[in-house]
Amino acid sequence: AQTVTQSQPEMSVQEAETVTLSCTYDTSESDYYLFWYKQPPSRQMILVIRQEAYKQQNATENRFSVNFQKAAKSFSLKISDSQLGDAAMYFCAYRSANNNDMRFGAGTRLTVKP
Amino acid sequence: EAEVAQSPRYKITEKSQAVAFWCDPISGHATLYWYRQILGQGPELLVQFQDESVVDDSQLPKDRFSAERLKGVDSTLKIQPAELGDSAMYLCASSLVGGRVDTEAFFGQGTRLTVV
Repeated sequence: AQTVTQSQPEMSVQEAETVTLSCTYDTSESDYYLFWYKQPPSRQMILVIRQEAYKQQNATENRFSVNFQKAAKSFSLKISDSQLGDAAMYFCAYRSANNNDMRFGAGTRLTVKP
Repeated sequence: EAEVAQSPRYKITEKSQAVAFWCDPISGHATLYWYRQILGQGPELLVQFQDESVVDDSQLPKDRFSAERLKGVDSTLKIQPAELGDSAMYLCASSLVGGRVDTEAFFGQGTRLTVV
């Protein structure tokens, strides 16, 4: 099965600043999807941004953008103009386009300082 | 807005007892996932259904865990007997099958299980 690695257990950012969360994955497949999910304390997991592996262009969603490097199997999330509400656990996820198998990394806890 | 429904939200059970969790996916979502999430860790896939069929249950401790999705809609995850180490959040998620749009999984609010 594919594996997803998040090497930063915790990150901290000053409000209004920019932070980048790292993610690497291991796969032999060529067609897959990558996601960043946000899980606020005691709240539901919600999608932040998605990236299709067949697309070369990096996905962006307002203040959130990714740096997808397929050859390096790297998928980082950049949060610009950080807000207090961005504080949460962030999970990187891989989904196979072949069998829909979906795996998550261990997560990064993001703290936003006022 | 359509949501994945899970019940109960919280469950406290004694070890060696049986416990069951229920999930109702978003209508039309053929793929259903059950994950276990220990506090502070990432979700671990327990079982994946495609309609009523199990696609992957390689991480499901089959001596005590079982999962079913009889009519390919809602699903039940059961633990019997529960052990102290089963204390965790159990998450259900659903998604469409294939295609190039709406590829993400939608999550329910989870069931927090405490085994005492």
